[in-house]
Amino acid sequence: EVQLLESGGGLVQSGGSLRLSCAASGFTFSDYVMSWIRQAPGKGLEWVSSIRHTGGVTYYADSVKGRFTISRDNVKHTLNLQMSSLRAEDTGIYYCAKDGDSGTWKSSWYFDLWGRGTLVTVSS
Amino acid sequence: DIQMTQSPSTLSASVGDRVTITCRASQSISRWLAWYQQKPGKAPDLLIYEASTLESGVPSRFSGSGSGTEFTLTISSLQPDDFATYYCQQYNNIRGFGQGTKVEIK
Repeated sequence: EVQLLESGGGLVQSGGSLRLSCAASGFTFSDYVMSWIRQAPGKGLEWVSSIRHTGGVTYYADSVKGRFTISRDNVKHTLNLQMSSLRAEDTGIYYCAKDGDSGTWKSSWYFDLWGRGTLVTVSS
Repeated sequence: DIQMTQSPSTLSASVGDRVTITCRASQSISRWLAWYQQKPGKAPDLLIYEASTLESGVPSRFSGSGSGTEFTLTISSLQPDDFATYYCQQYNNIRGFGQGTKVEIK
């Protein structure tokens, strides 16, 4: 079955750290750019970070640059997000998502597969 | 950064209505635009990509159009299952989402 399953969310104090993981199955993980998208309670979707196929190129939203680090393990088929210096505004559901196209001629695509999400709550 | 603006933010409609949601980009994104549907407590589902290509399994009452800076999502005849929030997403330069349009029961 094609799926993404996030884990690692929880309650953390402001200034703390948390590591999210996403286990992928049912597709050739190394062929696709992978991303994290978040959604604050009652708010819209915010793209957070993406990582290209081999992990050598990463992209971050300005709101998390310097605090979050995305990585991937193409052997274990996992995507990770190391979050540090967490703030109350980082609270939300974090989704792992797969690009809808494996074409490397373009750096960004749409998302055709999403996980169920993991909740991160940062208390101030 | 490319800003995506959806309108309206909320839309009240009845079953059977034709519904149109607009998404505007702050600069040209060619046709690199996707639409998603999200229901409460669920992850978003892809409806349309490349402005007008229907994702496999998505009902044909959904359609998309546009290019450059202005795009529309149309639901030809609203069904009970379509009451949800809809987001546009550009993927011309990095990625970014519109703020969402909630389609509610009139």
